[in-house]
Amino acid sequence: DTAVSQTPKYLVTQMGNDKSIKCEQNLGHDTMYWYKQDSKKFLKIMFSYNNKELIINETVPNRFSPKSPDKAHLNLHINSLELGDSAVYFCASSQGLSAAFFGQGTRLTVV
Amino acid sequence: DQQVKQNSPSLSVQEGRISILNCDYTNSMFDYFLWYKKYPAEGPTFLISISSIKDKNEDGRFTVFLNKSAKHLSLHIVPSQPGDSAVYFCAASGGFNKFYFGSGTKLNVKP
Repeated sequence: DTAVSQTPKYLVTQMGNDKSIKCEQNLGHDTMYWYKQDSKKFLKIMFSYNNKELIINETVPNRFSPKSPDKAHLNLHINSLELGDSAVYFCASSQGLSAAFFGQGTRLTVV
Repeated sequence: DQQVKQNSPSLSVQEGRISILNCDYTNSMFDYFLWYKKYPAEGPTFLISISSIKDKNEDGRFTVFLNKSAKHLSLHIVPSQPGDSAVYFCAASGGFNKFYFGSGTKLNVKP
């Protein structure tokens, strides 16, 4: 009964591969997010969807493409992975402008 | 250009004493502030928030203070407990579902 769940928890892959991270929330929230925590530990927003509509798209390479099939899901697809993409990616959800609930994170390692 | 800064990467406190975690921000349009707690290998967990119309919000052992003129907020934990040992993130928002996070302060509460 996890509120925000993302899979996989760990992902090790080679440069140039394409990978996806899935996220689901069962809180009935209308907004979902992807955040990236880099090596300096900053949590930076990448994307935000409200009712399946993209509302925030930060300066993120085109290789990153979010997909929201419905309000409860926001998946992140990454093409042509690069070494610099190694980070922890967090999915989150919120209702309106309330505090966001985070998933446990996906540690992506590109080798 | 980090808009939210936590200048102390770590803090060590004796059990039973007060822990004070600090956060500074640069954007005067921010009107909603939050603190999150994060254990290793888990996502951040919402702790407490404050809107800009208040200068203090209390929830049990946790109190957040907001000084708008100084663009500064702090989280007080009293009394501190060993279970409070975690990384604490400060976050701020000016609306539009966009939260800016600091780099975190690692709190160690010694028994």
